Amino acid sequence: QVQLVESGGGVVQPGRSLRLSCAASGFIFSNYGMHWVRQAPGKGLEWVAVIWYDGSKKYYADSVKGRFTISRDNSKNTLYLQMNSLRAEDTAVYYCARADSFGDYFYFDYWGQGTLVTISS
Amino acid sequence: DIQMTQSPSSLSASVGDRITITCRASQSISSYLNWYQQKPGKAPKLLIYAASILQSGVPSRFSGSGSGTDFTLTISSLQPEDFATYYCQQSYSTPALTFGGGTKVEIK
Repeated sequence: QVQLVESGGGVVQPGRSLRLSCAASGFIFSNYGMHWVRQAPGKGLEWVAVIWYDGSKKYYADSVKGRFTISRDNSKNTLYLQMNSLRAEDTAVYYCARADSFGDYFYFDYWGQGTLVTISS
Repeated sequence: DIQMTQSPSSLSASVGDRITITCRASQSISSYLNWYQQKPGKAPKLLIYAASILQSGVPSRFSGSGSGTDFTLTISSLQPEDFATYYCQQSYSTPALTFGGGTKVEIK
């Protein structure tokens, strides 16, 4: 069965860095685009970043552009999110999600359980 | 950027009620609209994609409709397990698949 397991969250001071991982299993990881979505405490869902199935393209939300880097290692079935220059407003649960499609219609059909990132001095 | 606005932001209903949640896009998105359900402490779950196609395994009491800028999610007979927060998501302006603000469905 499809599984996505995030790790790497924790408490970090403002301005510092953190790298999240998302280990995928149960499907051919290299066939799918992957996304990061975050949710601040008590708030809604915010799309963060996407990486193409082969890593050839990457896109970011304006709120993280220039600070976060999405990457993947298809040989390890793992997705990453390198987060630099962290701010208090980056505090959130971070989810990885698989993007599937029905023709041109894209959607997130599997999500990880999330990993909590807390930015605090 | 396409803005997604959900209404209401919260509602109270009873088991067995029929409820409707609305999602409005700031510009036409054809049928590029998804719905998710999220329970406290859990990841979102896909309910509907392409505005009206039920994801496999989702009960038929859930339905979606709409196109252009106005969409609805309907639960025909609310069950205890349906009390959750619901999010719409546009997939027209890829790759940024932005979400609405959410609608929390609470027990009356």
